[in-house]
Amino acid sequence: QKEVEQDPGPLSVPEGAIVSLNCTYSNSAFQYFMWYRQYSRKGPELLMYTYSSGNKEDGRFTAQVDKSSKYISLFIRDSQPSDSATYLCAMSLNQGGKLIFGQGTELSVKP
Amino acid sequence: SQTIHQWPATLVQPVGSPLSLECTVEGTSNPNLYWYRQAAGRGLQLLFYSIGIDQISSEVPQNLSASRPQDRQFILSSKKLLLSDSGFYLCAWSVWGGGYGYTFGSGTRLTVV
Repeated sequence: QKEVEQDPGPLSVPEGAIVSLNCTYSNSAFQYFMWYRQYSRKGPELLMYTYSSGNKEDGRFTAQVDKSSKYISLFIRDSQPSDSATYLCAMSLNQGGKLIFGQGTELSVKP
Repeated sequence: SQTIHQWPATLVQPVGSPLSLECTVEGTSNPNLYWYRQAAGRGLQLLFYSIGIDQISSEVPQNLSASRPQDRQFILSSKKLLLSDSGFYLCAWSVWGGGYGYTFGSGTRLTVV
């Protein structure tokens, strides 16, 4: 079993839709959770960063961590064609620790 | 501000040829440095990480090696490339002891023919 599981998609939605991206993990000791966005042929860029459980909101993006279920989510409201990218979840045991990445979910937002 | 440079952007190399990919970081000291490989449609595979000059840890036994001759320079090498070495190679850095994730370079797309 992989430490971090993420549905690779592809996921296709119409412009304006609410997008839900998810990851599950097996190691309950993970404490730091991140979401990266990767455009085609580019390096990943950090989108959201959360510590432990709870929600964090940044504009149209909301990151949610449920440690009891070992499940994290990224919600994108009012999705735009410019949101079309691969989204990778990542997590680590401690601050500055090695990141374990999910496989990435490919998202396409159609105008 | 901190920046990370990675080159070349694309590379086509014959089987059996050597490889050298370079990554440099500016605007920070004593960063943690990482080399990842990303195969098509797959996640990121950590190849090497370094917490200091000449301190390299290998995550996966393979045909590649890494070196860190200077604090902010990280080099990925191979003496003889294999077809299976093709992929998208990414360098990244993080703050030592920091918890703000990694900053990635723009990547090198390597095709071994």
